[in-house]
Amino acid sequence: AQSVTQPDIHITVSEGASLELRCNYSYGATPYLFWYVQSPGQGLQLLLKYFSGDTLVQGIKGFEAEFKRSQSSFNLRKPSVHWSDAAEYFCAVGPSGAGSYQLTFGKGTKLSVIP
Amino acid sequence: DGGITQSPKYLFRKEGQNVTLSCEQNLNHDAMYWYRQDPGQGLRLIYYSQIVNDFQKGDIAEGYSVSREKKESFPLTVTSAQKNPTAFYLCASSIPAEDEKLFFGSGTQLSVL
Repeated sequence: AQSVTQPDIHITVSEGASLELRCNYSYGATPYLFWYVQSPGQGLQLLLKYFSGDTLVQGIKGFEAEFKRSQSSFNLRKPSVHWSDAAEYFCAVGPSGAGSYQLTFGKGTKLSVIP
Repeated sequence: DGGITQSPKYLFRKEGQNVTLSCEQNLNHDAMYWYRQDPGQGLRLIYYSQIVNDFQKGDIAEGYSVSREKKESFPLTVTSAQKNPTAFYLCASSIPAEDEKLFFGSGTQLSVL
């Protein structure tokens, strides 16, 4: 069975500092990987996704993520955090081409930003 | 603008009562989903529908029911059989077999009185 682990429940960074949110997955074949962001009391918004090809993917709001098959990781990064990035971030994994109903979400990492 | 509308934003349920959460989308997406979100638990799939008049149970369907009579609507009923209904409920939609991107509504917070 597929699974996703986000090791950090809560991370606090200063505005302007760099950010890396960790995501480790367990899946037998090449997975589809996603990062979503959720502002308090709101739905989720897709930041970026990896299906195949270049292992470094660019997303919205200046985020990027790198797929590392050897480490079963898909970490999210941003070089300089803005106060508006404070939110909860979810990593998700699913079988390639199988449908969104087979996605497994991680438990999320809450990001706080110090002005 | 196209999107997903969930209503109400907040809902309270009395013991033994059934309540229905509304989800409407104007994105012309075939697939729709209901997720339950508990603090620190991520998202868990309740039900999904890939086409009108058809739906499937997700991982935690017990105590819930759905219908899909129209493409744009996918209401969720939380029945009295759901003994722990307090949670944040999210509706989503997607275009199956495309890029698997989920579009989410802004959610309904259900609490028990």
